[in-house]
Amino acid sequence: DAMVIQNPRYQVTQFGKPVTLSCSQTLNHNVMYWYQQKSSQAPKLLFHYYDKDFNNEADTPDNFQSRRPNTSFCFLDIRSPGLGDAAMYLCATSQDSTPGEQFFGPGTRLTVL
Amino acid sequence: GENVEQHPSTLSVQEGDSAVIKCTYSDSASNYFPWYKQELGKRPQLIIDIRSNVGEKKDQRIAVTLNKTAKHFSLHITETQPEDSAVYFCAASTVRADGLTFGKGTHLIIQP
Repeated sequence: DAMVIQNPRYQVTQFGKPVTLSCSQTLNHNVMYWYQQKSSQAPKLLFHYYDKDFNNEADTPDNFQSRRPNTSFCFLDIRSPGLGDAAMYLCATSQDSTPGEQFFGPGTRLTVL
Repeated sequence: GENVEQHPSTLSVQEGDSAVIKCTYSDSASNYFPWYKQELGKRPQLIIDIRSNVGEKKDQRIAVTLNKTAKHFSLHITETQPEDSAVYFCAASTVRADGLTFGKGTHLIIQP
């Protein structure tokens, strides 16, 4: 089945220790997104890739970076995680021929100790 | 940028009654309005969506209405059931596939 996969599902890191979250998709969608969702809040868009073009939201901290080596994979790098970065990180994909409709992965729950 | 307001933040209804959640948006360029249901610890699940060229859409017990002039859209759930209990998010997006701007969510509680 075509889907969006995130690994790991749960990630524990230490304060200041870099961490990378992974997203892959078999939908062959050209747009991939990263959202941050803190407890009891709405998902918040961090950035997205339109094909290889990177688009950063204005208020996304510099601590967050992303890579998209190919159509199928996208990574979220947090260079120096702080306690405030503990959240669920959701990856989503869409195809620009049907703008707006997004397919979400199961998310990675990040804990910062 | 886009701003989406959602009300109420909590809604409690008796099983079998209807529930209505309302959202307003600010960017007149927005033209895609999905509604997501999210259960605790799970991903948001798309339950219904509407595009700006349509005023209403229905799928069984769920319907969405859109008023482009007033920039508001609403989710209607009829004959509510216990499994409808969850957090519901509205969202808005433009044709540029820039990503979704979400409302703050409504915690829907179905009382047996």
